[in-house]
Amino acid sequence: DADVTQTPRNRITKTGKRIMLECSQTKGHDRMYWYRQDPGLGLRLIYYSFDVKDINKGEISDGYSVSRQAQAKFSLSLESAIPNQTALYFCATSGDIGESGANVLTFGAGSRLTVL
Amino acid sequence: GDSVTQMEGPVTLSEEAFLTINCTYTATGYPSLFWYVQYPGEGLQLLLKATKADDKGSNKGFEATYRKETTSFHLEKGSVQVSDSAVYFCALNSGGYQKVTFGTGTKLQVIP
Repeated sequence: DADVTQTPRNRITKTGKRIMLECSQTKGHDRMYWYRQDPGLGLRLIYYSFDVKDINKGEISDGYSVSRQAQAKFSLSLESAIPNQTALYFCATSGDIGESGANVLTFGAGSRLTVL
Repeated sequence: GDSVTQMEGPVTLSEEAFLTINCTYTATGYPSLFWYVQYPGEGLQLLLKATKADDKGSNKGFEATYRKETTSFHLEKGSVQVSDSAVYFCALNSGGYQKVTFGTGTKLQVIP
């Protein structure tokens, strides 16, 4: 099984619908992230969580919400989907940074969302 | 704020050609630097990293050297293979929360 599992892998929905993307991990990492990937824009951070009680907005959080149900689970919700939220969404995790200061991310395979 | 600038693609090379993908950054303090690779249909995976000035990260024949004086972390490989075709992302982390900032990605296509 993958270290970071995202469901669904693909989803097509209509404008105004509520959508939830789920992420679970077996890495035992405390830190979890949701990124959005768009062509020509790279990856942009939506939300991040350093533990179950610590959730923070990233650079593009408007229109999204998250829930950290457990250390291993971090869900992203679109309350009312709109077409410009069509994108590839990635969940990622990271563990203790340590003395090196390197925050190495482990990514899921991605969830492709299309909003019509 | 932190930012990463990398060369636009796509880059098309013949097999066994030399590869360079340029990456420069802006960050406060002393960031850690990374290259991630994304193969078609997959998530990103760490290719290599460097955590301090003059460090050289290397993996699978790829190399990159942390150049603080030029704020650069260029990716190189001496002889590319078709299997290296992918999108390559330069990234950094810095600051108290050590958030990771990505460049826009460079698509590499290697033709036989």
